[in-house]
Amino acid sequence: KAGVTQTPRYLIKTRGQQVTLSCSPISGHRSVSWYQQTPGQGLQFLFEYFSETQRNKGNFPGRFSGRQFSNSRSEMNVSTLELGDSALYLCASSLPRGGYNEQFFGPGTRLTVL
Amino acid sequence: DQQVKQNSPSLSVQEGRISILNCDYTNSMFDYFLWYKKYPAEGPTFLISISSIKDKNEDGRFTVFLNKSAKHLSLHIVPSQPGDSAVYFCAASALNSGNTPLVFGKGTRLSVIA
Repeated sequence: KAGVTQTPRYLIKTRGQQVTLSCSPISGHRSVSWYQQTPGQGLQFLFEYFSETQRNKGNFPGRFSGRQFSNSRSEMNVSTLELGDSALYLCASSLPRGGYNEQFFGPGTRLTVL
Repeated sequence: DQQVKQNSPSLSVQEGRISILNCDYTNSMFDYFLWYKKYPAEGPTFLISISSIKDKNEDGRFTVFLNKSAKHLSLHIVPSQPGDSAVYFCAASALNSGNTPLVFGKGTRLSVIA
């Protein structure tokens, strides 16, 4: 089975721009979660989608949004980028019953904001 | 506030010796704990987990110990191998309180020296 894939792997943007990141979960996985990893804060939960609906949301501003499509692929969008948004964005998928304890992570998208 | 704390940002251990990685938590609702390992340019991979009904779980060279009264868990790797060099994240979840997202620590970078 193919693992979780994320595109693009690397991205450079400037302040004020917006960015869209994509995640394709493992086949058959319906839950997709997004995390932000920074050196100072570790992994922080952004949001989770299950069956095209946002099921949980972390403590991030509204500039961070996401969606999930009928094929379980997910995108996250960050608008009006700030320097502090530079981070590794990780996507994780889990089995149909959507347990957080069974998450499989993708390799991440490294976003640099200049 | 940090609900899951890994107070040692880094740890160096000689090959063949024991590595002990520590994790403390503050939320008494947490009842399921996991350790993930992360290599550079890859997403975290699940290593081992433990439920709050147990105080120990073993999987090969990896053992996790849970001390609920102290709200402390530790990961023991015996014997340590150079391939174990990675960042280790401790994570916690309150499974019995509903499907709550994982809360991660900031990670400990383990270096196993040959």
